[in-house]
Amino acid sequence: DTEVTQTPKHLVMGMTNKKSLKCEQHMGHRAMYWYKQKAKKPPELMFVYSYEKLSINESVPSRFSPECPNSSLLNLHLHALQPEDSALYLCASSQEVVTERAFFGQGTRLTVV
Amino acid sequence: GESVGLHLPTLSVQEGDNSIINCAYSNSASDYFIWYKQESGKGPQFIIDIRSNMDKRQGQRVTVLLNKTVKHLSLQIAATQPGDSAVYFCAENINQAGTALIFGKGTTLSVSS
Repeated sequence: DTEVTQTPKHLVMGMTNKKSLKCEQHMGHRAMYWYKQKAKKPPELMFVYSYEKLSINESVPSRFSPECPNSSLLNLHLHALQPEDSALYLCASSQEVVTERAFFGQGTRLTVV
Repeated sequence: GESVGLHLPTLSVQEGDNSIINCAYSNSASDYFIWYKQESGKGPQFIIDIRSNMDKRQGQRVTVLLNKTVKHLSLQIAATQPGDSAVYFCAENINQAGTALIFGKGTTLSVSS
C-alpha cells in the first residue's frame, strides 16, 4: 500500500464554519506534511510532523490548526477562514523528514465562501 | 563554459520528441532533489530523485541531471507521449533537522500528437 488518502476531496465552507481535513497513510512513515497549493503555483509547505510531533510550522496563521493523533493520521482543523484560503490542500508522508521521497495524496479542494 | 538552462513556464513538444525541463534550485546546501509530475486535479506524483553525490540518474524514459556548480537540475523525457502532459516540479531538501521538501516553479508540458 503506497497510498496517502485524503478526505474529503472537495469542501465548501463559510467563513464562520469549523471543518477538518483528514489524511491517512499505512506505509509506516514517520513524517507527515501539509502543503497548500494555489492555482498554477507550486505547493507551499505549511506544517511538518516528525514522529507525531510538530517540527515545522511555516508561519501559518492560527486559523489553521494541525493535529497528529497517531503515526498514521494527520488532521488539519480549519476555523474562521478567509476566501483567499481557498486552495488545494495536499497531505504527504515520507519515511523520515530529511532526504526522503515524499508520497502525496490527491488533495482536498477547499473553497471558502 | 556551461550555460544554465532557463526555466520555462510552458513547453510544447510533438509526440515522440525528447523533452528537457529545467530547474534552478536556491540553496547550495540542498543535497536531495526530486522531480514530481502533477496532472490536473491530482496530487504530485514521484518521477525520479537524485542525491548530491551523483550528477546523473536514469529511470524508465527519464533522466535527471544535476549540476551543483551552477545549482541546476534538469529532467529529460525520452520519446514524449501525450500521457506525459502535466505540470512538472522540481523539489529540493537539505539534509538537516528543521527542513522539508521545498518546491520550485513548475513547467507545464504539453504534448501534441
